[in-house]
Order: sequence, then structure tokens, then C-alpha cells
Amino acid sequence: KAGVTQTPRYLIKTRGQQVTLSCSPISGHRSVSWYQQTPGQGLQFLFEYFSETQRNKGNFPGRFSGRQFSNSRSEMNVSTLELGDSALYLCASSLETSAIGELFFGEGSRLTVL
Amino acid sequence: KNEVEQSPQNLTAQEGEFITINCSYSVGISALHWLQQHPGGGIVSLFMLSSGKKKHGRLIATINIQEKHSSLHITASHPRDSAVYICAVKTSGSRLTFGEGTQLTVNP
Repeated sequence: KAGVTQTPRYLIKTRGQQVTLSCSPISGHRSVSWYQQTPGQGLQFLFEYFSETQRNKGNFPGRFSGRQFSNSRSEMNVSTLELGDSALYLCASSLETSAIGELFFGEGSRLTVL
Repeated sequence: KNEVEQSPQNLTAQEGEFITINCSYSVGISALHWLQQHPGGGIVSLFMLSSGKKKHGRLIATINIQEKHSSLHITASHPRDSAVYICAVKTSGSRLTFGEGTQLTVNP
């Protein structure tokens, strides 16, 4: 059974650009949640999608957005990139909502903003 | 004060030692996760707890809901256990709040 797949694994952008990250959950999982990890702030919850609906959102500015498709694959987008957006972005999938289901994490997408 | 506090921040042990990592939280939760992160970033969920105790191999996790405290124990530690261990709590809805992590190094 394939695990959670995140693409791309590494990317470099410049300030002001935008980026889209992709997360393919484990087959059959309907929940995808996104997290940002930085050395200064640690791991922080971004948002969760379940059956194409955003269920919860963390304390991030509107530049951070996401969506989920009918096949449960999810994308997150960051517009007008800032240096502080450099981070490891992780997604996790769950069979049910992450409130009650075990989480399975991807390897992450490491974003560097220059 | 962080909603989730872990201790210690860093822990060095000799192979074979019994290890305990603690997690205290200040909010109401529906569940608590213990996560393991190896260099390179990948995270593995070790346990999800809402009460009592769970055991998997050499790993044991306990939670005391009244005291808002959880512990992760590793028996007969091994160098391959070296990683960052992170406590995370599920608060309102599906939101996860994370501790800062404990860097564990097990020397041979």
C-alpha cells in the first residue's frame, strides 16, 4: 500500500513568487491536513480538508490556502512568498477526520525562499 | 506559556537504558499523539492516546487526563531510537498543537 506522497520534495523560490505543493493521501483516506515546520516556531497546523471541505484552519495569513479534489489529493498554495515562509511543509492523511483517526505523514516539501 | 510543554528538550542515553519523555498540556483535548521524526524530516506516528496506556514493542505511552500529562517510555534503548520525539494534542475540531520536541541521542 503506497504511503502519503508529497511533491515536490525540494524547491527554491524568490520573494514575491507563489508556490503550489501537492499531497496524495493513502488510498481510501479522506482527510488531508497540512503543517509547517520551522526551526523557530516548530510544527504548526495549517489546515485540514475532509471530503473536499476545509474543516479547520490554523493561524496563518490568507496568503496560505488549500483545496482538496474529489480523489482526496490536496494542494496548498502560498502566494507572495516571504523569507519567513522557508520551511518544511508536511501533510498527513487519515481514514476519517484527524480528530479521530491515526495520522500518516508524508516526507515533506522543503521550501527555500531567497 | 505554550499549550504543550515537553521535557527534557535534549536527552542523551547509553544503549540499553530506560528512557522517559514527558508531555504536559494546558488545554482540553480529545486525543494525544506521540510522533517520531528522523533527520531528513519524515514523521511517523507512534501512538494516539485518549486514555490509559498503549504498548508497541519497546515503546510504551501513558496518559493521565486528570493531570493533563503523558509520558513516552523506551525500554532497552538502541542507537536507532535516536530521533526527535514530538507530543501533539488534538484540541478543537481536528486542530493539532505540537510540543517543541525532545532530541534523543542513544550512544552505543
